[in-house]
Amino acid sequence: QLVLTQSPSASASLGASVKLTCTLSRGHSSYAIAWHQQQPEKGPRYLMNLNSDGSHSKGDGIPDRFSGSSSGAERYLTISSLQSEDEADYYCQTWDTGIRVFGGGTKLTVL
Amino acid sequence: EVQLVESGGGLVQPGGSLRLSCAASGFTFISYEMNWVRQAPGKGLEWVSYISYSDRSIYYADSVKGRFTISRDNAKNSLYLQMNSLRAEDTAVYYCARASGSFLDYWGQGALVTVSS
Repeated sequence: QLVLTQSPSASASLGASVKLTCTLSRGHSSYAIAWHQQQPEKGPRYLMNLNSDGSHSKGDGIPDRFSGSSSGAERYLTISSLQSEDEADYYCQTWDTGIRVFGGGTKLTVL
Repeated sequence: EVQLVESGGGLVQPGGSLRLSCAASGFTFISYEMNWVRQAPGKGLEWVSYISYSDRSIYYADSVKGRFTISRDNAKNSLYLQMNSLRAEDTAVYYCARASGSFLDYWGQGALVTVSS
């Protein structure tokens, strides 16, 4: 079964960097994913898609501070130079024939 | 500018029906697959349904299969979700989302559906 696992919460200081993790279930380590950001009281926003080799393509207007990387079954979202507006929920998303799957989301707090 | 605007949300009694619409603009609607995704209060995102460019392929989450129907009108640049036999657990904000390949690259602002007596 295709499952994405994310830590429920993360925190980092203003101006620092943070690395969020999304783990693919066993047997699915080659799958690409997408990262989405949801700021409080807003709809989600697509950040990037991320392949198993670490190559990624960002959405329109996404700052260079956001980057992605991969290692095995893990997919990472790194946010550098954290700003207050980066405080949000971050979801990873993947797909299989006919279905889309979301991770449970990580709530990022900027201290 | 790509825009997706949902409408049709509201309060409905358990067992009732509701039809959501999503008006698309700023892109060639017929060239993109579309999805509905929902978010229950305080919860994460849950994929609901997918439709291909020309209705040839349609998929549903198990939680809504047999009760919800996705459709599209390419002449009107619109996506729809007909929701029947609604339950309390269907209460959520419903988002329409454009698919670019297999990932969702643009989202609407959502429509709130509340199922309650």
